[in-house]
Amino acid sequence: KQEVTQIPAALSVPEGENLVLNCSFTDSAIYNLQWFRQDPGKGLTSLLLIQSSQREQTSGRLNASLDKSSGRSTLYIAASQPGDSATYLCAVSPFSGGYNKLIFGAGTRLAVHP
Amino acid sequence: DAGITQSPRYKITETGRQVTLMCHQTWSHSYMFWYRQDLGHGLRLIYYSAAADITDKGEVPDGYVVSRSKTENFPLTLESATRSQTSVYFCASSGGVTPYSYNEQFFGPGTRLTVL
Repeated sequence: KQEVTQIPAALSVPEGENLVLNCSFTDSAIYNLQWFRQDPGKGLTSLLLIQSSQREQTSGRLNASLDKSSGRSTLYIAASQPGDSATYLCAVSPFSGGYNKLIFGAGTRLAVHP
Repeated sequence: DAGITQSPRYKITETGRQVTLMCHQTWSHSYMFWYRQDLGHGLRLIYYSAAADITDKGEVPDGYVVSRSKTENFPLTLESATRSQTSVYFCASSGGVTPYSYNEQFFGPGTRLTVL
């Protein structure tokens, strides 16, 4: 059964730091991996999607990498800002159980202080 | 409004009552999903639909019923609500026209359901 783990569970950093959020998954048979952001009391906002054939995706200050063979993905946030404070979730779409379904990690709660 | 919407946003009900949560998307996405989010369990898939009239169970389907007569709507019904179904429910959709956007899931704002 596919399991997704995110480390650390919580992170507090000063503004301006570059930071890395980690995501690991137990089964490398995936279609894709998606990173989301969730603000308190809100829905999920899609940040980046990496197809299984890709190594990384970039959007603005965000860069996500995927190493499928080792079951790992990282989300790199450059020059962090207080507005980046949120919970970051990663999710994989496994081969088993049907196309396009997502298995989520528990998330990393990020606080960026001025 | 464009995008994906859910109603109601908040709902309080009593044990044993039937409750229907609505989800509507304006992108004509083929796939739609229902998740629940609970402390300690994260987000878990309840049901999903690949197209109108095609639905299938997710990880935690017991106690829930779905239907999809139109592409844009995907209601979730709790036939006889229980306290364990107190949760935040998210609807999502995917199926854009590019290979990237086809797989990318977009989420609604959520419905916070309390069962007393």
